[in-house]
This record gives sequence, structure tokens and C-alpha cells, in this order.
Amino acid sequence: EPEVTQTPSHQVTQMGQEVILRCVPISNHLYFYWYRQILGQKVEFLVSFYNNEISEKSEIFDDQFSVERPDGSNFTLKIRSTKLEDSAMYFCASSVLGTHTEAFFGQGTRLTVV
Amino acid sequence: AQSVSQHNHHVILSEAASLELGCNYSYGGTVNLFWYVQYPGQHLQLLLKYFSGDPLVKGIKGFEAEFIKSKFSFNLRKPSVQWSDTAEYFCAVSGGSQGNLIFGKGTKLSVKP
Repeated sequence: EPEVTQTPSHQVTQMGQEVILRCVPISNHLYFYWYRQILGQKVEFLVSFYNNEISEKSEIFDDQFSVERPDGSNFTLKIRSTKLEDSAMYFCASSVLGTHTEAFFGQGTRLTVV
Repeated sequence: AQSVSQHNHHVILSEAASLELGCNYSYGGTVNLFWYVQYPGQHLQLLLKYFSGDPLVKGIKGFEAEFIKSKFSFNLRKPSVQWSDTAEYFCAVSGGSQGNLIFGKGTKLSVKP
């Protein structure tokens, strides 16, 4: 069964460092998403991406965040200068269409900023 | 603003008990409604979804949910839970032309064997 894969599963980084979280969406999907879940809190939407551009982003997705689809398979989330409060589980998801379809989630990357 | 409320933070049941998890949403237009489940150590998986039509939707593993528009609710039910249903359950909504999901805080379900 096709699945969304994320690497690494756990990343520890020092405050102020840049991190790149990687995702390989399901191959025939067109919409890609990043969500995050701070420990004990809700899963929060960060950004959606379609046709090589951001289609929607939340207030959380400020200038320190960026997304890219550098090739035909990977979808990355970059955090330019990490802060302690960026520590969270980051989930990538993909869907065939933008709405009225199911989003498939990856297993997540646990980011710990120290 | 769009929001999703899940009333129960942690529910503990014995096997064979019936389950109902509450979910209420706030959204100004047409909504799509979802329940996702996250088993320990695994990714979020779709249990069921409602887009339109019959407000009673059936999902995998014997789960069902009822969309009650007048109450802005989409409660999840299962007549008889099993130990393997131990997981965290998330209600989510999307709307309009956007596919991004707004999640509730989740309800942790523990089923005692």
C-alpha cells in the first residue's frame, strides 16, 4: 500500500540552527501539507502546497519556514533558525485533490530544539 | 474562526463497552468532516469521512459517525470496543475549496482487556 514517508524520525538540533525535514508523498498525489503537533496540543496546519507553490499557510508559517519540492518526489520543510518552541512532531501529508479527498499522513518527524 | 472541539481528553473503557466520542465544530460554510486515529507509534489514519449525502457514515473497524448539522456535531461511535482500539482519536474539518484540516485536540481512548 502506498504511504507517505518522512525522514528523519527524530532530529535534535541546537537553537538557531537550520533544519530540513523531508517527506516523500504518495506518487500520484498533487497536494502536499505540513502539520505540527506540540506535545500535549492540537495537530496544527502549517502549509499546503500545490502546483509548485504554496496554496495556503497558517499564521504559524512565518518567514522562518519555507517549503520546497526540489525534485519530483521530495517535499521539504525548512526551518531557518530554530527556536525552542519549534520543538514538536511534524507531520507531512498528501492528497490526490485539495478537497473532498482523504489526506494520507506520514509517521512524523520529532524535532527537539535544545 | 474555524475550530474543532473534542469534549473528552481521555476515555477509559472495558472491552465490549460502547463508545461515543464527541466532536463539535465551528465553521461558516460547507464542511468536510473526518475522524482520524493514531495507534501508538503509528501515523494518523483515516477512520471515516463525511462530504455530503447520508449523515450517518460508516468507517473502518466498525466505527461510525453521525453528522448533525443543527448541532454542528460529528460524534464517533462504536457499539463494542476492543483492546486493539486503544489509540488517540482526532476529529478534523476542512471547508470550501481548501483541503487543509483543522484538528481537535484529540481524545485518548484506553480499552482495558
